Amino acid sequence: EIMLTQSPATLSLSPGERATLSCGASRYVSSSYLAWYQQKPGQAPRLLIYDASNRATGIPDRFSGSGSGTDFTLTISSLEPEDFAVYYCHQYGDSQGALTFGGGTKVEIK
Amino acid sequence: EVQLVESGGVLVQPGRSLRLSCEASGFTFDNYGMHWVRQAPGKGLEWVSGITWNGGNVRYADSVKGRFTISRDNAKKSLYLQMNSLRPEDTAFYYCAKGTLDWLPTYFDYWGQGTLVTVSS
Repeated sequence: EIMLTQSPATLSLSPGERATLSCGASRYVSSSYLAWYQQKPGQAPRLLIYDASNRATGIPDRFSGSGSGTDFTLTISSLEPEDFAVYYCHQYGDSQGALTFGGGTKVEIK
Repeated sequence: EVQLVESGGVLVQPGRSLRLSCEASGFTFDNYGMHWVRQAPGKGLEWVSGITWNGGNVRYADSVKGRFTISRDNAKKSLYLQMNSLRPEDTAFYYCAKGTLDWLPTYFDYWGQGTLVTVSS
């Protein structure tokens, strides 16, 4: 199974600042089959990015994804108050094994 | 509007069984693979199981293999998770999630609100 490691575990930033979240895979993720989700307390996860760099429907363009192979990044260009949440990466490129998630990065208000 | 509504989560004793349901609406249910993802309170996400559009192929996480069974009824637009031999470590919110294809590879574009399963004596 492909393990995903997210860093940092917590990111303390102020509104308006840029957030850079990392997701590292233990093995190559084929075809950049990597997604990012946002989760707020008491809510289900919400899809932000799929195929490493494609924004899901309705997602603001301040969210962007990049990367390939084993290293992926989610960038929030200028944090809005509603962006403070936990973010998970998810790989779905392992054709024989499990779909896996990273442990999450919490973006909190500084 | 896509909606996924889970039900069936309760407090149950270790070793007992439980069946979760997910009722879907707002999309053509039998066009898509469906999945269960769980989240222990205060913890991260863990994919549990997935099923193809017609139920012809299923897959499980190692942590539940042999104890959980995923199934679906396309006529009822419903997804199920039969959970046997429950353990305290199965305590979690269980989310129903819609795939974007009839099977894999897939990410999850819609999620239900989750149902809480608590395994405790």
